[in-house]
Amino acid sequence: KAGVTQTPRYLIKTRGQQVTLSCSPISGHRSVSWYQQTPGQGLQFLFEYFSETQRNKGNFPGRFSGRQFSNSRSEMNVSTLELGDSALYLCASSFPGQGNEQFFGPGTRLTVL
Amino acid sequence: AQRVTQPEKLLSVFKGAPVELKCNYSYSGSPELFWYVQYSRQRLQLLLRHISRESIKGFTADLNKGETSFHLKKPFAQEEDSAMYYCALSGRGMGRRALTFGSGTRLQVQP
Repeated sequence: KAGVTQTPRYLIKTRGQQVTLSCSPISGHRSVSWYQQTPGQGLQFLFEYFSETQRNKGNFPGRFSGRQFSNSRSEMNVSTLELGDSALYLCASSFPGQGNEQFFGPGTRLTVL
Repeated sequence: AQRVTQPEKLLSVFKGAPVELKCNYSYSGSPELFWYVQYSRQRLQLLLRHISRESIKGFTADLNKGETSFHLKKPFAQEEDSAMYYCALSGRGMGRRALTFGSGTRLQVQP
């Protein structure tokens, strides 16, 4: 099976812009979670989607949003970018009943200038 | 609030020496605990979970609810064990896929 894919892999934006990141889960996986990784804060949970519904949300401002499509692909959007949004954004997918194991993608490296 | 603490940023050992990566957590309830590993230029991947009580690549981890710890151990380290190790916690039910990660410990196994 192909692993979790994320596009684009690298992105450079300027403050005030918005960005959309995409995640394609492993075939058959219906849950997609997003994490932000920074040197200062480490890995932090953003949100989780299951069957097109947001089930969990981390402690991030409303500028961070996401959605999931009927084919389980997910996007996350960050509006009004700030310098502090520079990070590696990881997506993970999982299949119900597989012991809560999450399979991670390679990440999208976002740099905000 | 739930929290995972990994007190060591870096652990350096020689090949064949025992390894113990420390993890302490705080959670009001019964959490699920995991160890994730990231080898150089590879993706973050699950190493083991406390529910399975399994040994993977010679690593074991026992959940100690009294000490709220989930330390990762291996009796004899190998060079290929060099990697970044993250302890993670999740709740039950609807919150079980919202992982809280520790800050990670880099394990260096020297020849």
